[in-house]
Amino acid sequence: DAGVTQSPTHLIKTRGQQVTLRCSPKSGHDTVSWYQQALGQGPQFIFQYYEEEERQRGNFPDRFSGHQFPNYSSELNVNALLLGDSALYLCASSLAQGYGEKLFFGSGTQLSVL
Amino acid sequence: AQTVTQSQPEMSVQEAETVTLSCTYDTSENNYYLFWYKQPPSRQMILVIRQEAYKQQNATENRFSVNFQKAAKSFSLKISDSQLGDTAMYFCAFILGTGTASKLTFGTGTRLQVTL
Repeated sequence: DAGVTQSPTHLIKTRGQQVTLRCSPKSGHDTVSWYQQALGQGPQFIFQYYEEEERQRGNFPDRFSGHQFPNYSSELNVNALLLGDSALYLCASSLAQGYGEKLFFGSGTQLSVL
Repeated sequence: AQTVTQSQPEMSVQEAETVTLSCTYDTSENNYYLFWYKQPPSRQMILVIRQEAYKQQNATENRFSVNFQKAAKSFSLKISDSQLGDTAMYFCAFILGTGTASKLTFGTGTRLQVTL
């Protein structure tokens, strides 16, 4: 059973560029959430996608956008990159069938902005 | 807004010993869930244990158990018979039990080092 997979594992960009990160959820899961983890911090919620719609959003600017495809995979896009966007970006999948459901995480994409 | 606080940035324990990681949280809600996640050097966030707030009984998973004190808003993790593979960052996390989305709020983590 494949878990949550993310690509690429590492990425280096320069300020002002745009980046797209990809996530495939665990088999059978229909909900994808994205988190940003800065160095030495806990993950921060960016947004969640369900049925191809953004269902909830954290305190992140509009430069952060996403998409969910019919096969439940998801993309995170960040425009006009800033140095402060350097972080580990984690994708988590779950089932939208109840409360407090367990989230399963991928190994993340390490983004470095120079 | 909910907050999660982990006051121990680093902890160390010898192999086979027991260690307790602390976590406190703040919420005005009554229906929620608490989690401990482990993040080894591979960076993948791995679920260790889950506790429903409406359950008085403390959750246990093999060598891992929690001490959930709802009135004190405290949720500590006890690791028994520590193993070298337990070396990792440990994050306490909170999620509301209502609403339509699953937004986890994490603490800042505790780095646990298991030594020989």
